[in-house]
Amino acid sequence: EIVLTQSPGTLSLSPGERATLSCRASQTISSSYLGWYQQKPGQPPRLLIYAASSRATAIPDRFSGSGSGTDFTLTISRLEPEDFAVYYCQQYHGSPWTFGQGTKVEIK
Amino acid sequence: QVQLQQWGAGLLKPSETLSLTCGVFGGSFSGYYWNWIRQPPGKGLEWIGAINHSGITNYNPSLKSRVSISLDTSKKQFFLRLSSVTAADTSVYYCARGDTAMGFTYWGQGTLVTVSS
Repeated sequence: EIVLTQSPGTLSLSPGERATLSCRASQTISSSYLGWYQQKPGQPPRLLIYAASSRATAIPDRFSGSGSGTDFTLTISRLEPEDFAVYYCQQYHGSPWTFGQGTKVEIK
Repeated sequence: QVQLQQWGAGLLKPSETLSLTCGVFGGSFSGYYWNWIRQPPGKGLEWIGAINHSGITNYNPSLKSRVSISLDTSKKQFFLRLSSVTAADTSVYYCARGDTAMGFTYWGQGTLVTVSS
């Protein structure tokens, strides 16, 4: 099973600031099969990024993804009030599909 | 516009069987894999398993002995059964459409299932 470790656990930032979230895999995964999701309280996750760097439909361009091999990054260039949420990385390179434990982006 | 709507019993006793249904509205049923994912209160996401339109299943080994996923293509529905539930199975259960190239693109609204005596 591929374990995904996200850091930091919590990120305290102000609106307008830049957020950098990390996801490290326990083994090399194809960047074609790494995604990022945003989840707000009481809602299902929403796909933001797929294939490590492609934005899903209707996702603003302040969200970007990068990385390869075992290290991947989600960057939010300038935080908007609606961006404060929990973010998960997820791999669909090998079964069982797995998620990271999440990074909470909170208002400082 | 693709929508997934899910339903099923929300309160179970230990040892009972959890049963959920997910209906797919809009879009094709074929060409995707149909997933169940769960999230214990205040915790992270766990993939339970998936089924494709041909009925081929893939389960998380951690739950494989207790899980069954099936589908009814004529109704565009798929189903989750989880047997012998315990309090540890208390979670919000989500259905989701899986795309080989994109991951989980559409999600149901979630169903809170509580296991309590």
